[in-house]
Amino acid sequence: EDKVVQSPLSLVVHEGDTVTLNCSYEVTNFRSLLWYKQEKKAPTFLFMLTSSGIEKKSGRLSSILDKKELFSILNITATQTGDSAIYLCAVLIQGAQKLVFGQGTRLTINP
Amino acid sequence: KAGVTQTPRYLIKTRGQQVTLSCSPISGHRSVSWYQQTPGQGLQFLFEYFSETQRNKGNFPGRFSGRQFSNSRSEMNVSTLELGDSALYLCASSSTHYEQYFGPGTRLTVT
Repeated sequence: EDKVVQSPLSLVVHEGDTVTLNCSYEVTNFRSLLWYKQEKKAPTFLFMLTSSGIEKKSGRLSSILDKKELFSILNITATQTGDSAIYLCAVLIQGAQKLVFGQGTRLTINP
Repeated sequence: KAGVTQTPRYLIKTRGQQVTLSCSPISGHRSVSWYQQTPGQGLQFLFEYFSETQRNKGNFPGRFSGRQFSNSRSEMNVSTLELGDSALYLCASSSTHYEQYFGPGTRLTVT
């Protein structure tokens, strides 16, 4: 069965800290790995990673994929209270156009 | 470009009733996927449509069905509603680049 596991499940840090969120996966037909941010509404797209070792960056957020070790990390530097959200990792299954989601990491940034 | 739209945003139904949810994808996107999100199970894949054909289906009972129209708009139907069907139903659209963009969701409450 396809599986995506995120850690930690919950994280509380102070504004200005740097955080690293982890995502590991075991799937039969990997196509891509996607990161989403979910506040009190629908998930908003952050990154899609297809190739190993190539960092994707957007402002203070960055992410990288390791297809040999089957994991990805999402880094957020100089965190702000607006970064508080649930961060979801999902794997797109080749040929199925289906996303398999992890449980999410609930990130809380305290001022 | 306008994003993915879903209607209605909120619904309250009684056990045994049926419900139809609607999703309009981003203009030019031909693939529409549906997901169910609950606190206990997280985000789970329901089905995916492309060019009016269901290409993939998740592990949900036959009470959950859908269709897609020639303009790529999609509808999802749930018959004989059960209390456990209470959830946020999310629709996502994608182009050939595989990134999936989510709509705001329909919050269904079954009483």
